[in-house]
Amino acid sequence: DQQVKQNSPSLSVQEGRISILNCDYTNSMFDYFLWYKKYPAEGPTFLISISSIKDKNEDGRFTVFLNKSAKHLSLHIVPSQPGDSAVYFCAASVGGSEKLVFGKGTKLTVNP
Amino acid sequence: DAGVIQSPRHEVTEMGQEVTLRCKPISGHNSLFWYRQTMMRGLELLIYFNNNVPIDDSGMPEDRFSAKMPNASFSTLKIQPSEPRDSAVYFCASSLGASKPQHFGDGTRLSIL
Repeated sequence: DQQVKQNSPSLSVQEGRISILNCDYTNSMFDYFLWYKKYPAEGPTFLISISSIKDKNEDGRFTVFLNKSAKHLSLHIVPSQPGDSAVYFCAASVGGSEKLVFGKGTKLTVNP
Repeated sequence: DAGVIQSPRHEVTEMGQEVTLRCKPISGHNSLFWYRQTMMRGLELLIYFNNNVPIDDSGMPEDRFSAKMPNASFSTLKIQPSEPRDSAVYFCASSLGASKPQHFGDGTRLSIL
């Protein structure tokens, strides 16, 4: 049973536009959420995180939004750049636990 | 600063052979994780250590898999005997602890023929 779901396997956007990647979770005990980016033949790279006491966290072009009532988080990339083309994973953990549960990823393609 | 270092990057071996994957975590990190990535199951946690002690091995698929962390700067994941269904990319990650991001190595692509 998938506790973290990324329902869109792929997303294509134009350079300069906004990319919105979505993630849903089922475990209401999750209280720490992360986004990772992965290029081919490399390991996942940490992008941004958010704890459940917040509903938004920004870091440069990247913003993560958390809607606890809907059990939904999203990653916004503005403006999108061709170098952002990668697979994006969301992950979640229960407070105090180091165990991360990952979604299956969304492949983002940013077209020049 | 050096990141998480995994070796080998690629391993091709025949069914029944022993396979040993190695990992050097980021210096100062006290938690170490082993993950497996497959098309079917995605990225799944196999086992993790805190201060060199195994904390949760519930993700280890079966007794053929074992992991050790003899010191703070080295860990191994061993498969004996290996089977074709073990073919996957294995990642090692380390972190400073709970609610801290995990940092991943570039993985070992394992192919069992």
